[in-house]
Amino acid sequence: TQLLEQSPQFLSIQEGENLTVYCNSSSVFSSLQWYRQEPGEGPVLLVTVVTGGEVKKLKRLTFQFGDARKDSSLHITAAQPGDTGLYLCAGARYNQGGKLIFGQGTELSVKP
Amino acid sequence: GAGVSQSPRYKVTKRGQDVTLRCDPISSHATLYWYQQALGQGPEFLTYFNYEAQPDKSGLPSDRFSAERPEGSISTLTIQRTEQRDSAMYRCASSLGIGGHSTDTQYFGPGTRLTVL
Repeated sequence: TQLLEQSPQFLSIQEGENLTVYCNSSSVFSSLQWYRQEPGEGPVLLVTVVTGGEVKKLKRLTFQFGDARKDSSLHITAAQPGDTGLYLCAGARYNQGGKLIFGQGTELSVKP
Repeated sequence: GAGVSQSPRYKVTKRGQDVTLRCDPISSHATLYWYQQALGQGPEFLTYFNYEAQPDKSGLPSDRFSAERPEGSISTLTIQRTEQRDSAMYRCASSLGIGGHSTDTQYFGPGTRLTVL
């Protein structure tokens, strides 16, 4: 059972384009994290959002947590080849020891 | 150490053999997680430890899988009588806080790629 549905699964764009990745669930999470994973490496945390409606910005990346804390989005402005990688959303719930439920990931390729 | 390390990085074994994977978390970290990750997919939770206690092992696929962290630092994941469907990347992560709060940062290791022939 996939509790977190991520879309799209694959995205190939040209440098300079904008893109949005979505992470949706029917369940409520206490926090939502976004990770980026490069080939041969483990996931690296980009951001954690905890409040419904929260928006966080990290340079050209904008993260939003839905008002009901069931969904999130990642928007990248003016994508660069260095943004290429696997983007993962992961949800956590209270009193579950930090156990993360991951989406299936979005494989992003940015071509120069 | 500076980060989470795992060994071996690659393991090829024959069906029916037992394998043991090792995780060295960041030295000050109380909580340690094991995940299984298929190629191009997100990691799936297997189990976690608060020091040596193992509060949740609900993600272990079968009783062939077991994990331990006897001294609250290094952990091992053992798969007995391996099957081809066990082939995957096994990742370890650690976080600082005891109890593993939902906002704690998890630091992931490079993983062990297991191939069962």
